[in-house]
Amino acid sequence: QQQVKQSPQSLIVQKGGISIINCAYENTAFDYFPWYQQFPGKGPALLIAIRPDVSEKKEGRFTISFNKSAKQFSLHIMDSQPGDSATYFCAAYYSGNTPLVFGKGTRLSVIA
Amino acid sequence: NAGVTQTPKFQVLKTGQSMTLQCAQDMNHNSMYWYRQDPGMGLRLIYYSASEGTTDKGEVPNGYNVSRLNKREFSLRLESAAPSQTSVYFCASSEVGGGTEAFFGQGTRLTVV
Repeated sequence: QQQVKQSPQSLIVQKGGISIINCAYENTAFDYFPWYQQFPGKGPALLIAIRPDVSEKKEGRFTISFNKSAKQFSLHIMDSQPGDSATYFCAAYYSGNTPLVFGKGTRLSVIA
Repeated sequence: NAGVTQTPKFQVLKTGQSMTLQCAQDMNHNSMYWYRQDPGMGLRLIYYSASEGTTDKGEVPNGYNVSRLNKREFSLRLESAAPSQTSVYFCASSEVGGGTEAFFGQGTRLTVV
């Protein structure tokens, strides 16, 4: 049973455009929602994260929007650049020493 | 500061062979994880160790065993490799569980022929 559903699987965006990746979760006990970025040949790395006490978190060109009632959260990349081309994973966590639950990933390509 | 170090980076095995993937972290983290990454399947948790001395199964544990050798090291063993275990394997660590930032190694690309 997939606890975090991520869409789309792949995304092509023009340079300067907005990239939007969506995730939905089922477990209402989740209380930490990070996004990880992975470049080819590398391991994933934390990009940005949010807790459900806020509806939005912004770090530079990257913004997480969180909708607790809909059990959805999304990553927005403003002014997308070719260097943003990577695979993005959403994830969720709920308590103690349990591990993160990852979505299946979105491969983003930003073309000039 | 090396972070999370995995060895080897690449490996080709014949069906039925065994091998151990090594992972070490130098951040004094309590929790360590093994994931496999396959196209279209994302990151799937194989095993994790919440703290030294404990290990638990993840989503896809069949065909694998793990050992938390000490706080720094967490190894993954394939006893009898199968072509279905062809994948990229990532080790990760975090301070305490999934609520703290996870740091990943560079991965091991394993091919079973």
